[in-house]
Amino acid sequence: SYDLTQPPSVSVSPGQTASITCSGDNLGKRFTSWFQQKPGQSPVLVIYKDKQRPSGIPERFSASNSANTATLTISGAQAVDEADYYCQAWDSFTAIFGGGTQLTVL
Amino acid sequence: EVQVLESGGGPVKPGGSLRLSCAASGFTFSDYSMNWVRQAPGKGLEWVSSISPSASTIYYADSVKGRFTISRDNGKNSVYLQMTSLRAEDTAVYYCARGEVIVGAGAVGDYWGQGTLVTVSS
Repeated sequence: SYDLTQPPSVSVSPGQTASITCSGDNLGKRFTSWFQQKPGQSPVLVIYKDKQRPSGIPERFSASNSANTATLTISGAQAVDEADYYCQAWDSFTAIFGGGTQLTVL
Repeated sequence: EVQVLESGGGPVKPGGSLRLSCAASGFTFSDYSMNWVRQAPGKGLEWVSSISPSASTIYYADSVKGRFTISRDNGKNSVYLQMTSLRAEDTAVYYCARGEVIVGAGAVGDYWGQGTLVTVSS
């Protein structure tokens, strides 16, 4: 089965840049999406098709995908960005989620 | 405004059945695939099932294949998840999400409902 691996946690100081990685075999050949989920809330799509931002998502969210790693970057992280982040891709007609990364901004 | 609203969750005994519904509005429902994603308490997201706009193509996670059935009614702008032979490990919040025009591609959901909790316990 296909797996996506994320670090369990990432910490960043306010105003600094946070990077969250998502690793999978030849992930760069698949479109990757990223979701943000805050406690008690539904997931929110923040990146689709590797690097596209839905309307309403701040420009400080960006992403890339190459080789075996997709990366979500939050430039100038704010306290409001503290959340769990999940990457997602498709493999053999199955949607795969990474295990999630808890981003702490402090 | 795009809205997705799940209903039908609740407590159920192991081996029992439950039918979840998802009502959508604010977009041309018949143009989009729809997905169910679940989240067990304190755990990550797990994709459950997807259905194409015309219902001609359906995918299931291995963990629910043979027990869950996804369907949709484009006339009612609704998608359903019939769950049978429920197990304790099916306990989760079940989210309905709008997918891409093409099923099995891209983001599993650009709009998500608030979720409905299914609790399987004796």
